[in-house]
Amino acid sequence: EAGVTQSPTHLIKTRGQQATLRCSPISGHTSVYWYQQALGLGLQFLLWYDEGEERNRGNFPPRFSGRQFPNYSSELNVNALELEDSALYLCASSQWAQYFGPGTRLLVL
Amino acid sequence: AQKITQTQPGMFVQEKEAVTLDCTYDTSDQSYGLFWYKQPSSGEMIFLIYQGSYDEQNATEGRYSLNFQKARKSANLVISASQLGDSAMYFCAMREGRGNQFYFGTGTSLTVIP
Repeated sequence: EAGVTQSPTHLIKTRGQQATLRCSPISGHTSVYWYQQALGLGLQFLLWYDEGEERNRGNFPPRFSGRQFPNYSSELNVNALELEDSALYLCASSQWAQYFGPGTRLLVL
Repeated sequence: AQKITQTQPGMFVQEKEAVTLDCTYDTSDQSYGLFWYKQPSSGEMIFLIYQGSYDEQNATEGRYSLNFQKARKSANLVISASQLGDSAMYFCAMREGRGNQFYFGTGTSLTVIP
């Protein structure tokens, strides 16, 4: 069974640009979660999608947005990038436990 | 109040010794799940072990066991016979029964000393 996949693995952007991160869940999982993890820190909950709907979002500004597609894959968009957006972005899918992808390392210069 | 509390930012253990990583949780739900994850330096979060609130036996998975004390609302992870590869961050998490919202602790950094 294929695990959660994320692309790209690394992304370098400059301040003010937009970034798009992608996630494909484990087959049969309908829930997708996004987390931000700054270097050396814990996971900060960003967004939760289930059955195509946004179910909850964390304490992040509106320039963090996303969507879930009919095949349950998901996209995270970060607009007007700031230096402090540099982090590891983790996606997880869930039926009961959360299973994580390898993450996307975003660097904003 | 924090849903998940991990009070040990860093821990050290001698190789082949056992170590306990602490986790306490806060919920008013009767049905919930508790999880532990390992995050090595590569960054990927690895699911280790799960304990349901109605499970009477402590969960075990190989060298990992979860010391579940419901009345104290604690779910400590015990790693037996530590190995160098166990050096990583460890996160405790909870899923409340009412929905799919997960809560993660701040993590404990474990270093295994040869």
